[in-house]
Amino acid sequence: DTAVSQTPKYLVTQMGNDKSIKCEQNLGHDTMYWYKQDSKKFLKIMFSYNNKELIINETVPNRFSPKSPDKAHLNLHINSLELGDSAVYFCASSPFAGSYNEQFFGPGTRLTVL
Amino acid sequence: AQKVTQAQTEISVVEKEDVTLDCVYETRDTTYYLFWYKQPPSGELVFLIRRNSFDEQNEISGRYSWNFQKSTSSFNFTITASQVVDSAVYFCALSLNYQLIWGAGTKLIIKP
Repeated sequence: DTAVSQTPKYLVTQMGNDKSIKCEQNLGHDTMYWYKQDSKKFLKIMFSYNNKELIINETVPNRFSPKSPDKAHLNLHINSLELGDSAVYFCASSPFAGSYNEQFFGPGTRLTVL
Repeated sequence: AQKVTQAQTEISVVEKEDVTLDCVYETRDTTYYLFWYKQPPSGELVFLIRRNSFDEQNEISGRYSWNFQKSTSSFNFTITASQVVDSAVYFCALSLNYQLIWGAGTKLIIKP
């Protein structure tokens, strides 16, 4: 029943580790996104894929690498985690790439780097 | 430059009061879309409304209403007879070139 799901919901890890967050949508949408929300609630787009092709790649450290095995999945892998990576990461999807589409968000993954 | 400004960082009102959340945007494009999203304390982001740049009609949905004015580049959101469940962070966003440009959000606290 869940439209956009993310796993895990919480992730606590040590600095220097590598971790992944998974996202799946069952809405049949073509476009998926990753956002980072910092402690002040500011939302920043990181990446967007349309039909498995990268269409938005904002200024993000190259320790972050998205992977879209198919258009229903968009995973985020983070290497060599740093304290500043602590945030809530949201996955979202929209029917297709276009300014008029609302985005549907997952529940978020709270990442804490110790 | 494309930008969304939500100047009110936090608003606190007593239940049943009306409250307006301001949103001012900047863009040179003539075609664009504006959105409001709600983020309750549970953390999820919930879509509330979309408005395109050619439609300046005000929208009402129950206790929620939106006032879009191109002349002042504003897309304000009013909650009438606020309730405790309206407590959340509300985001205004501008859609351009496949992505949303977000305001910083307004935290709304409704006190019983």
